[in-house]
Amino acid sequence: ETGVTQTPRHLVMGMTNKKSLKCEQHLGHNAMYWYKQSAKKPLELMFVYNFKEQTENNSVPSRFSPECPNSSHLFLHLHTLQPEDSALYLCASSQSTGPNTEAFFGQGTRLTVV
Amino acid sequence: SQQGEEDPQALSIQEGENATMNCSYKTSINNLQWYRQNSGRGLVHLILIRSNEREKHSGRLRVTLDTSKKSSSLLITASRAADTASYFCATDASLSGANSKLTFGKGITLSVRP
Repeated sequence: ETGVTQTPRHLVMGMTNKKSLKCEQHLGHNAMYWYKQSAKKPLELMFVYNFKEQTENNSVPSRFSPECPNSSHLFLHLHTLQPEDSALYLCASSQSTGPNTEAFFGQGTRLTVV
Repeated sequence: SQQGEEDPQALSIQEGENATMNCSYKTSINNLQWYRQNSGRGLVHLILIRSNEREKHSGRLRVTLDTSKKSSSLLITASRAADTASYFCATDASLSGANSKLTFGKGITLSVRP
């Protein structure tokens, strides 16, 4: 248990569905992240939030919509996804977005788009 | 790209042997971190070595950093079957302002045979 909780752990959705991934951290951190992990590829940083404000969007398609209502919660809203979006989506948090801080990851949501 | 690139991609050893994994990167960094991931789970932080450090130990882990060669190695001594996992190096490099960015490699799959 790393203090970062993601729900659901598994999600199967059709291409016309709308779903949301949730992440909650109990560590008092100020920064939260969404990563996408696909087989045989490096971990891809999608979004960064610092003190609830989005500081980075790594050219992510608009069918992925993040929301950060407070420093402890992060959502990823999904709509009209494609099969190639199937992957493990990982949420992480860190004390800050400054240097020399480690990231704490959730267990991930395994997403399958059919 | 300044992402870490791990070598080898896969490693299979006998229990009790040592495992050595390497990481190379391309640009200046604040620190380099190693993470572990069990199948289908989140990443767990193992160790962080700062750019002004050359070697660091944590239990059975030994990490070295050579900034002149832009490379790092992770040594796991007296390996156990439970060490079977994927291992990632991540480079922490400064962005504009006070922020930095953690960039991950593709990972090394370590299998430890009982």
